[in-house]
Amino acid sequence: DQQVKQNSPSLSVQEGRISILNCDYTNSMFDYFLWYKKYPAEGPTFLISISSIKDKNEDGRFTVFLNKSAKHLSLHIVPSQPGDSAVYFCAARTSNTGKLIFGQGTTLQVKP
Amino acid sequence: EAGVTQFPSHSVIEKGQTVTLRCDPISGHDNLYWYRRVMGKEIKFLLHFVKESKQDESGMPNNRFLAERTGGTYSTLKVQPAELEDSGVYFCASSRLGMGEKLFFGSGTQLSVL
Repeated sequence: DQQVKQNSPSLSVQEGRISILNCDYTNSMFDYFLWYKKYPAEGPTFLISISSIKDKNEDGRFTVFLNKSAKHLSLHIVPSQPGDSAVYFCAARTSNTGKLIFGQGTTLQVKP
Repeated sequence: EAGVTQFPSHSVIEKGQTVTLRCDPISGHDNLYWYRRVMGKEIKFLLHFVKESKQDESGMPNNRFLAERTGGTYSTLKVQPAELEDSGVYFCASSRLGMGEKLFFGSGTQLSVL
């Protein structure tokens, strides 16, 4: 029973355009959501997060949107750069546990 | 500040053998987590230490897996005996108390069981 799902295994965009990565979840008790980025042969690194009391959080080129009624969040990267090419993981947490539940990841390729 | 260190980076063993993975968290990080990613799927939670105590081990697959964190510093994850389905990348992550959601990950140990 996968509680966090990233239904697009891969995404390819042109440099300078917007990248939109999507994530759906099933557990309404999740109160904190995060995006991690992973390069080959490295561990995931924290990118951006959002609390369930907000619907948007922005950090430079990265913006995360949360739609609680749809149990959906998305990560927007604009403008996309070739260095953004990586695997992006969506993750979620409930307040009564320290563990994160991850999605399967989406591989983003930004073409020069 | 040194990051999370995992050793070895790769391990190839035969079914039935024993393997021990080690994780050195960032100094001062009381939270330590083990995760596993199998065959390009999701990163799955295995267990969570707070200092030397097991806070949550609900993700441990079975009793062939044993995790320890003696003294609340480094941690080991032993698989004995290893099975084919144990193959995957084992990640360790750490964080400060109260900052449990922003985890710092190691580079992982790629375990291949043949």
